[in-house]
Amino acid sequence: GESVGLHLPTLSVQEGDNSIINCAYSNSASDYFIWYKQESGKGPQFIIDIRSNMDKRQGQRVTVLLNKTVKHLSLQIAATQPGDSAVYFCAENPFMDSSYKLIFGSGTRLLVRP
Amino acid sequence: GAGVSQSPSNKVTEKGKDVELRCDPISGHTALYWYRQSLGQGLEFLIYFQGNSAPDKSGLPSDRFSAERTGGSVSTLTIQRTQQEDSAVYLCASSFDSGGTDTQYFGPGTRLTVL
Repeated sequence: GESVGLHLPTLSVQEGDNSIINCAYSNSASDYFIWYKQESGKGPQFIIDIRSNMDKRQGQRVTVLLNKTVKHLSLQIAATQPGDSAVYFCAENPFMDSSYKLIFGSGTRLLVRP
Repeated sequence: GAGVSQSPSNKVTEKGKDVELRCDPISGHTALYWYRQSLGQGLEFLIYFQGNSAPDKSGLPSDRFSAERTGGSVSTLTIQRTQQEDSAVYLCASSFDSGGTDTQYFGPGTRLTVL
């Protein structure tokens, strides 16, 4: 069935190190993927997105990698900071006729140690 | 500018009562979404509004759930005869349009607790 899942429910990193958050998706029809960050008590905040015709996209301190062969998505955060501590969700859109409908994974909690 | 706002921020109700949750989208955004987030889980799509088109209600879990959007702006999610399993954070989002790549901006959510 359609699902988006994460390999690691909790990731703890040292401040200044790089973080990698992974996500597996099951629907090969998905052509759009997004990473959201959710801090405690707040709604999800868009971080970065990527379309299926790309393998890599970079933002400010973040990089998203897409491997369509193994249906894997990752978010890399460079020089992780305490403010990066949050829950990170990947989301996909597999619905060709409902491009607005996103399927979210269950999330990975990132903890940044000072 | 102002983001998506939701009210109330917290709602505690008794089983069997009806509740109404409100969402004020970003001004000018034509698309509005409701999601439900259970504890420790990802977001579950509930309903989508786009302009004057008929809403996509495919994510509503039962007929106790309904939503409306008046004047293409404010939306209200109503849960009738609440059950304990309805306890969750209800998130609203809006986007400028409904294209698949239009960023959805989320509100802070309403935490619903059904006793």
